[in-house]
Amino acid sequence: ILNVEQSPQSLHVQEGDSTNFTCSFPSSNFYALHWYRWETAKSPEALFVMTLNGDEKKKGRISATLNTKEGYSYLYIKGSQPEDSATYLCAMRVDTGRRALTFGSGTRLQVQP
Amino acid sequence: DAGITQSPRYKITETGRQVTLMCHQTWSHSYMFWYRQDLGHGLRLIYYSAAADITDKGEVPDGYVVSRSKTENFPLTLESATRSQTSVYFCASSEAGARGYTFGSGTRLTVV
Repeated sequence: ILNVEQSPQSLHVQEGDSTNFTCSFPSSNFYALHWYRWETAKSPEALFVMTLNGDEKKKGRISATLNTKEGYSYLYIKGSQPEDSATYLCAMRVDTGRRALTFGSGTRLQVQP
Repeated sequence: DAGITQSPRYKITETGRQVTLMCHQTWSHSYMFWYRQDLGHGLRLIYYSAAADITDKGEVPDGYVVSRSKTENFPLTLESATRSQTSVYFCASSEAGARGYTFGSGTRLTVV
């Protein structure tokens, strides 16, 4: 069983603050790292899929980086807005032909207006 | 409607009963997955399928059975429900390549 860890578990920020979360994963047999945004009472939605060491992805105010050699990824939110409040999940896929993802427990973000 | 749909949205069943959760996708994605969401554990993989008639166990398969006779359907059956199977169940699908999953809306199952 892979160990994908996310920190912090939860985060409260004020509107306009920039914030970042960490996802740590085992670097051996790495294939891909996914980030999902999960709003309460909805289903997770894919944000980014990253496969190469040094990858950086951006979608509006949200961006992510990947370091496969040391086994971590950062998700950044610039100028947080109340609508960014959600749980952010990362998940890892290994290069064994097995397509299934192993998810971390998530970082719950609350942005206060 | 196009997409991935799960049914029912909510289900209450008694201990020992068999219950089937349905998942249907309209994209002809090859891969389909069942996860359960539990406090403190996040999403844990129960079973997945790479194609019709190909299924494999995930992290927590005990007490569950799946089948995939058609590409678009991936039902999950709890053979004899237990209270520990009270959870929210998510079905997901994915096409080949480095793409994200698309999740269904979830089924909240309560075993009493």
